[in-house]
Amino acid sequence: QQQVKQSPQSLIVQKGGISIINCAYENTAFDYFPWYQQFPGKGPALLIAIRPDVSEKKEGRFTISFNKSAKQFSLHIMDSQPGDSATYFCAASWRYSTLTFGKGTMLLVSP
Amino acid sequence: GAGVSQSPSNKVTEKGKDVELRCDPISGHTALYWYRQSLGQGLEFLIYFQGNSAPDKSGLPSDRFSAERTGGSVSTLTIQRTQQEDSAVYLCASSLGPRGANTGELFFGEGSRLTVL
Repeated sequence: QQQVKQSPQSLIVQKGGISIINCAYENTAFDYFPWYQQFPGKGPALLIAIRPDVSEKKEGRFTISFNKSAKQFSLHIMDSQPGDSATYFCAASWRYSTLTFGKGTMLLVSP
Repeated sequence: GAGVSQSPSNKVTEKGKDVELRCDPISGHTALYWYRQSLGQGLEFLIYFQGNSAPDKSGLPSDRFSAERTGGSVSTLTIQRTQQEDSAVYLCASSLGPRGANTGELFFGEGSRLTVL
């Protein structure tokens, strides 16, 4: 019930392309879905987050799409840049729970 | 300091030895978390502290793991009789308020990389 499944494990995208990372969850009580970005040697940092009352949230080149009926959400990175190369984690929580993280996606944007 | 501070940044130890990892959260943050990051395993929750409440220890993998938080600030994660499978990066995070959807952002430190030989 607490699991968050993330795919793909790794992703290579050309500069200027669109990076797409997907996550699925089982616990319908989850009501907060953040994405964290982690650069090598650093701790994860919040990138963008969504709550289930909206289907999409956009911040700059980063967009979360949320499908409540399918219990899925995804991160889209438009016009991907080499500086976006990092590991991305999706996560989920409900009102009184600790964040449950996916296993991460290593993104490499080739120049 | 401005962010979450963890020490040591790297620790190499021999199997069977005890280790202590320290976390200094952001000043004023009441919640503190420990997570473990192993290759291919994502971020595994270990323990959560909130103010003076009893900690949530539900993520600790065995009784060799323990943690304490003194004075509502600095926390120490202790691993006794270390095993090779304990090798990982141990991440500490803090947040302004209690856990859950109403609070949002966790601020992570850079982690302590533990290698057990």
